[in-house]
Parts: sequence; structure tokens; C-alpha cells
Amino acid sequence: AQSVTQPDIHITVSEGASLELRCNYSYGATPYLFWYVQSPGQGLQLLLKYFSGDTLVQGIKGFEAEFKRSQSSFNLRKPSVHWSDAAEYFCAVGGGYQKVTFGIGTKLQVIP
Amino acid sequence: GAVVSQHPSRVICKSGTSVKIECRSLDFQATTMFWYRQFPKQSLMLMATSNEGSKATYEQGVEKDKFLINHASLTLSTLTVTSAHPEDSSFYICSASPSGTSGTIYFGEGSWLTVV
Repeated sequence: AQSVTQPDIHITVSEGASLELRCNYSYGATPYLFWYVQSPGQGLQLLLKYFSGDTLVQGIKGFEAEFKRSQSSFNLRKPSVHWSDAAEYFCAVGGGYQKVTFGIGTKLQVIP
Repeated sequence: GAVVSQHPSRVICKSGTSVKIECRSLDFQATTMFWYRQFPKQSLMLMATSNEGSKATYEQGVEKDKFLINHASLTLSTLTVTSAHPEDSSFYICSASPSGTSGTIYFGEGSWLTVV
């Protein structure tokens, strides 16, 4: 069965600081991996996705993620966080036509 | 790029009434669509798999008679919350993959349902 673990439920960073959100997955084959962001009361927005190819994936809003098969990880990074990045971030794994399994989410708080 | 449209984005309904949420793939055909629900301060959980032309497959614990799913065409799946109660208030979101492709999963914008 596929699963996603986001070990950090809540993270606080200072504006301008770097950010890394952790994600570990379990999947029986080559995974399709996603990061989504959700602002309060809003829908999901896709930040980036990995299907194959280059393991370092660039996304929107300056985010990137690196797929590390040996560690079953797909951590999300941003070099300099902006106050508008405060939101909830979901890592997800799926494949082909299959369902997507979401992690529990990491709530990011940005302090001035 | 491929787009999945969900409507309405927000809806308020009275207890006991039914509400329908639509999920449309705008520029591709999808034989399978998925419906998810997000409980307050929790992650998104798969509710059911919607199969075009056949019955939906529900996840364990999801009441099929309460959450009616219809996938009548290759571009439209609907979720109807019947006899809604305040505890049904939630964020519902669908996803779809173009038929014949692999790994390209598109999500709708989601629908916020409030039952009063």
C-alpha cells in the first residue's frame, strides 16, 4: 500500500530564511510525487510534480524538490521564504491512473 | 495544459437538503476520476473512485447511499451529498487522469461545502 509521511506537522521560519519540508513515501513501483499548497479556506494548488527524469524538480513560486529514491524522500525546499508562503503544504504520492495518497500536511508559519 | 474544473467552489445548504458537486475534465477524457474529502485540520482522504459507465468504488467507511457518485460521461463526474448534515461540511476535491496516459493527474479546485 502506498503511504506518505510528513514528519513535521508545524514549522515556523523567519521571513527570508530557507525552508525545507520533509516528505517520505512508500510505494511499490516508480512513484509519481507531488507537492500541493493550500491557503486557509482555499483550494489546492500544485507546486510541482515528479514523474521521471531529472530528480531535482523546479516548481512555481520559487520552490523545488528533490527525489531521492534511496531515501524514499521528496523534500520541498525554498531558499528564501516570503510571508505569503504561510500555508499548509501537502506531499502526495500516486501512480498512473491510481489514487493519490496525501500526507497529513505541514503547516508553515512565517514570522517577520 | 489539461484542466479539471469543479463547481461550485463554495456552497451553503440547509440540513436535510441535497447538494451536487460537479467535476469536469475540460480538454481530455477521463474514464476514472477520484473524489477526496478533507476533514478539518486533516489531510485529504480518498472517498471513492468514479468509473465512467459503471458504479463507483467506495473506500471503507464511506456511505455510498449518502455520497452518490455518477460518472455518466468521459468528462463529467458528479458527487451528490444527500440529506446533508452539518458534519458533512468539508472540502471536497476531485482528480482525473487523461485516458491512455500514465501519471498525469489533475485536480480540480475543490468545493467547500457548509451545511447549516
